[in-house]
Amino acid sequence: QITLKESGPTLVKPTQTLTLTCTFSGFSLSTSGVGVGWIRQPPGKALEWLALIYWDDDKRYSPSLKSRLTITKDTSKNQVVLTMTNMDPVDTATYYCAHSGSYGGFDIWGQGTMVTVSS
Amino acid sequence: QSVMTQPPSASGTPGQRVTISCSGSSSNIGSNYVYWYQQLPGTAPKVRIYRNNQRPSGVPDRFSGSKSGTSASLAISGLRSEDEADYYCAAWDDSLSGWVFGGGTKLTVL
Repeated sequence: QITLKESGPTLVKPTQTLTLTCTFSGFSLSTSGVGVGWIRQPPGKALEWLALIYWDDDKRYSPSLKSRLTITKDTSKNQVVLTMTNMDPVDTATYYCAHSGSYGGFDIWGQGTMVTVSS
Repeated sequence: QSVMTQPPSASGTPGQRVTISCSGSSSNIGSNYVYWYQQLPGTAPKVRIYRNNQRPSGVPDRFSGSKSGTSASLAISGLRSEDEADYYCAAWDDSLSGWVFGGGTKLTVL
């Protein structure tokens, strides 16, 4: 059974750097074809894809946020970390991590973690 | 403004069939698979359709997906109250080298 869980601060100040951790179980990020992605959703708004890291360490980023994002993996700890610099109130959202497997897309999602950006 | 366009709302009565459209471009829907996600209030999204028209195990066959050119559709037949949710289409975009989501459609069961 695949599960993912996001963790990190619930409140960050403007200009600070956000660090989110996705801890997963039920699969290995060293298995060919597997990836973990991050998607966010501002309150009352649509889903927005942020980043994706694959088993071979290939990394993809949203073009509009690429300069602010870094995604890394720790296969031994079954974790994926997303950092986002220069946080702004418009970055207030629920942040989800999700598994991407052989069928593509994001088949299993974490419960999400709400991050508020406010001074 | 989303790269892929969905109607903001849709509705139907129990038992009816409803369809939700998703309009994209040659760089996303036109050349890649489409996925459909259901998001019940206050919960994380769940995949309902993958690779245009495939249902994950456990998803009722009331849910079906189709794709033609640069557009895709999600159909829900035998509408039930528990289908009331937000629905999102998604696809890989070759021009952006990233995933794109539609703006979402809020389905109301009257």
